[in-house]
Amino acid sequence: GAGVSQSPSNKVTEKGKDVELRCDPISGHTALYWYRQSLGQGLEFLIYFQGNSAPDKSGLPSDRFSAERTGGSVSTLTIQRTQQEDSAVYLCASREGGSHYGYTFGSGTRLTVV
Amino acid sequence: AQKITQTQPGMFVQEKEAVTLDCTYDTSDQSYGLFWYKQPSSGEMIFLIYQGSYDEQNATEGRYSLNFQKARKSANLVISASQLGDSAMYFCAMREGGATNKLIFGTGTLLAVQP
Repeated sequence: GAGVSQSPSNKVTEKGKDVELRCDPISGHTALYWYRQSLGQGLEFLIYFQGNSAPDKSGLPSDRFSAERTGGSVSTLTIQRTQQEDSAVYLCASREGGSHYGYTFGSGTRLTVV
Repeated sequence: AQKITQTQPGMFVQEKEAVTLDCTYDTSDQSYGLFWYKQPSSGEMIFLIYQGSYDEQNATEGRYSLNFQKARKSANLVISASQLGDSAMYFCAMREGGATNKLIFGTGTLLAVQP
């Protein structure tokens, strides 16, 4: 596609429920990143994919968070047993493999846990 | 550890004036990249400008320029001739070296352009 697409754009869920957030990167972009932005804060790195593998998961805050990427394309971030502190905007970015600066961000998913 | 510091939580500027947003960074890498992004209230991250650590000249993109002072580890963004549409959150970021090339972000500066 023309840009990075994220869905849903907004998600309200009850505490304790599981949620799945989707990222569809730019076609051909081998690198994919998930970030979390809490209210009024900067972006916090969560996980990096190169192709289908995730060599850097160092930013995942707990074992309730997981992510996968299939076919070197779409990625899904799953949060199990959501807590109120998980409320944030989750942003996805993709980058062409050979580029040092061509990061393209999606519009994000705003997650609210009530 | 690599770190980006933005010390200005908020800034005001009059329309048509220039404004400088501060950014300092900390890294032990020799090769790195510095970015500025704009985030309007709609939430998307808009790429503004990039400076590579080996670039000898300051980067410019239209009304945006990056004042890169390597020895001082600063990468300030200068916006000339501010417009009302420039009102947004601005983030400085650094590309971390190594295999991931992930971006490390500062806490941002909220810029308000006044008519």
